[in-house]
Amino acid sequence: EPEVTQTPSHQVTQMGQEVILRCVPISNHLYFYWYRQILGQKVEFLVSFYNNEISEKSEIFDDQFSVERPDGSNFTLKIRSTKLEDSAMYFCASRGDLGNTIYFGEGSWLTVV
Amino acid sequence: QQQVKQSPQSLIVQKGGISIINCAYENTAFDYFPWYQQFPGKGPALLIAIRPDVSEKKEGRFTISFNKSAKQFSLHIMDSQPGDSATYFCAAEMNRDDKIIFGKGTRLHILP
Repeated sequence: EPEVTQTPSHQVTQMGQEVILRCVPISNHLYFYWYRQILGQKVEFLVSFYNNEISEKSEIFDDQFSVERPDGSNFTLKIRSTKLEDSAMYFCASRGDLGNTIYFGEGSWLTVV
Repeated sequence: QQQVKQSPQSLIVQKGGISIINCAYENTAFDYFPWYQQFPGKGPALLIAIRPDVSEKKEGRFTISFNKSAKQFSLHIMDSQPGDSATYFCAAEMNRDDKIIFGKGTRLHILP
């Protein structure tokens, strides 16, 4: 079964450092997402991306966050200057069309120290 | 209005028993209600989903019951097994909207 792949699986970074989380969505999918899950809490929407632009973002997704699809396969989330409260599991997701199933990757666990 | 309220927060069920997780929503514009299953260290995976034009959907041991007038829906796991131990999230989407709204999750533990 096709899957969403994410790297790294775990990253530890110093507060204030930049972090890039990478994702390879399922190949024929057109809608891409980032969600995050703080330990023990619910999965929260960060941003959706379609047709090479952000289609929607949450209040969590402030100026410190950015997304990019630098080539035909990768989808990245950049956090410019990490804060302690950015420590969370970040999930990339994709789907073929609105209304179709969203498939999640296994997540990138970010620890900011 | 964008919230999906889920209960209980955690649930312990004996093997072979019925696990029941409940969710409620406010926004009547939601028209798709998926349930996700998440194992430790993994991403959420779609388990079963329902649209509000039906009151029940069953797939194997998993059943969603949907009460449109009460704006509530629930997941029933029949003959619960230790392998069902996971965190379950109810969720909601609006037609042609671009995101899923998740409930807070229920940590289910099935005793062997």
